[in-house]
Amino acid sequence: GAGVSQTPSNKVTEKGKYVELRCDPISGHTALYWYRQSLGQGPEFLIYFQGTGAADDSGLPNDRFFAVRPEGSVSTLKIQRTERGDSAVYLCASSSGTGNQPQHFGDGTRLSIL
Amino acid sequence: EDKVVQSPLSLVVHEGDTVTLNCSYEVTNFRSLLWYKQEKKAPTFLFMLTSSGIEKKSGRLSSILDKKELFSILNITATQTGDSAVYLCAVNAGGTSYGKLTFGQGTILTVHP
Repeated sequence: GAGVSQTPSNKVTEKGKYVELRCDPISGHTALYWYRQSLGQGPEFLIYFQGTGAADDSGLPNDRFFAVRPEGSVSTLKIQRTERGDSAVYLCASSSGTGNQPQHFGDGTRLSIL
Repeated sequence: EDKVVQSPLSLVVHEGDTVTLNCSYEVTNFRSLLWYKQEKKAPTFLFMLTSSGIEKKSGRLSSILDKKELFSILNITATQTGDSAVYLCAVNAGGTSYGKLTFGQGTILTVHP
């Protein structure tokens, strides 16, 4: 596609449930990033993929969060046993490589945990 | 720990005014500094700066980096209501931070007609 696509755009679920957020990067982009943005704050880094492998997952807050990118394109961010504090906008970005290339963002998934 | 600080946090101006947004940073292995504009949803890429003193320009927007004093500014001349947005500054650092962006809190710009 022309840009980074994220689905769903909104997700409302109850505390304790499992959620999956999907990101489809710009075609041909090998690097993919997940960020989390809380109201009034800048995005915070979660995890970065180069190809299929997670090159840096230092931003994942705890072991309830996990992300995969099995074929080096689409990525899924998975959150188990959701908590109210997980409510935020989850942004995905992609770039054309590991060199100094700008990251391009999707519209995000707004996750609300009731 | 890498740190990016933006100022002011918010700014209200009238159409036609010129604004300057500030971004200072402390990172261990600087690679680049990026500016984004965020309206309702996706941050939209504006500029990427890697070298000191070289101005990047796009229409009424321009930006420059000072790697000695560790800051960047984003200028917007002849502001329009469509410039109203959150402007985000981010730094891409190397070493163990390779690949990820560290963002500032953002500057909320409101342009009144």
